[in-house]
Formats: sequence, structure tokens, C-alpha cells
Amino acid sequence: GENVEQHPSTLSVQEGDSAVIKCTYSDSASNYFPWYKQELGKRPQLIIDIRSNVGEKKDQRIAVTLNKTAKHFSLHITETQPEDSAVYFCAVAGGTSYGKLTFGQGTILTVHP
Amino acid sequence: NAGVTQTPKFQVLKTGQSMTLQCAQDMNHEYMSWYRQDPGMGLRLIHYSVGAGITDQGEVPNGYNVSRSTTEDFPLRLLSAAPSQTSVYFCASSYGLTGWETQYFGPGTRLLVL
Repeated sequence: GENVEQHPSTLSVQEGDSAVIKCTYSDSASNYFPWYKQELGKRPQLIIDIRSNVGEKKDQRIAVTLNKTAKHFSLHITETQPEDSAVYFCAVAGGTSYGKLTFGQGTILTVHP
Repeated sequence: NAGVTQTPKFQVLKTGQSMTLQCAQDMNHEYMSWYRQDPGMGLRLIHYSVGAGITDQGEVPNGYNVSRSTTEDFPLRLLSAAPSQTSVYFCASSYGLTGWETQYFGPGTRLLVL
């Protein structure tokens, strides 16, 4: 089945800095790559996603880039704010794992004021 | 719309007891899933359903049963609880061409097995 590796497991930045989280996957036929944010004690919520026919997608301060050749995709957060502090999960769907969404292990992001 | 609802919010069980975690959605989504969340392990898929009457196993199905008799409900049954099943359980629903577009998660059920 699909294998998703997410790095780093923890990330600490100063307010205003950029943060980058990377995920690698194993199934070259995968075609959907979402990112979820989970605040403490809350449910995960989708913040951005990208499909295999697109290399980059932006939404205000967040962006996702996809390198299908290398089988990795990354979340970029610019001008970080304390409210960006949360756990971020990448996920992968499609390909031979059709019907299943496989999540990465999560990254704890802490933004210090 | 209430979205995805889960009951109970918190449950304590003794080893060997059985129980059912309830999940319901009012968005008419075809796809529903159950995940468990453990520290450092991310969200792991237990079982999922692509429509009423259709279910399939995910990554960690052992010890759990599901059924999908209606579009709205997707209960998760623990047959004989074990301490290893202590976790936070999330139900989710989704729609779309592949079914794996935006996942809408419920608030979660925190389960402690003693």
C-alpha cells in the first residue's frame, strides 16, 4: 500500500519567519495531495490541496508544491503568526490506493511571538 | 447543517467490553471513514465506506467492525476492547469525483480502555 513520510516531526519558528514541511510518498500513481491543520483538541481541517496535474498552488500565506518525479510535496507557510501553531498533516490519495486517504505522521509547528 | 457528529465525546471501557461509536452526517456525502489518532502516528484509516451497503478495510481494521445501512450513519463497533485501542477516534465524510476530496471530520471520540 501507500507509504507517506512527513518531516520534520516538530518545527519551531519565530513569528514572521517561513515554515516548510515536506512529505514523500511511494505510489507514483497517486494524484491527490491535501494538507490538514489540527489545532489542540480540535478536529483536522483542510487548509489546501493539490492535484497531480498542477505543480504549485497558493492561498494567501500558504502554498503547496508538488514534484511528481521525485514523489514529494511540500507545505510552505510565509509570514507565520502565533495562530499558525498547530499540528499539520499531509495526505495522499488515488493510484493503487484508490478509495483510501493515507496520512503522514504529522508536524507540530510552534510559532513564537 | 450539523455536519459530522460523533457520540460519545469520551468513553472509558474495561478490557473485554464492547461498545459502538456513533457517527452521522447530514451533508448527503457518499464516502465515510473512521480513523484513529495516536501520538506520533498520524491518522490511520480503520474502515471506510463508498456508499450505503459498501464497506472496506483500511490500514488497521483488526478488532473493529462497521456497517453502512444508510447514507447518513456509519457506526464503529469495538467487539472486545483492549488497552491498545485507547485512542482518539475520528469519523469523516467526503464527496467528489474520487470521493477523497475534502474530508469533513467529526469532533472525535476519546476512548480509554483500562
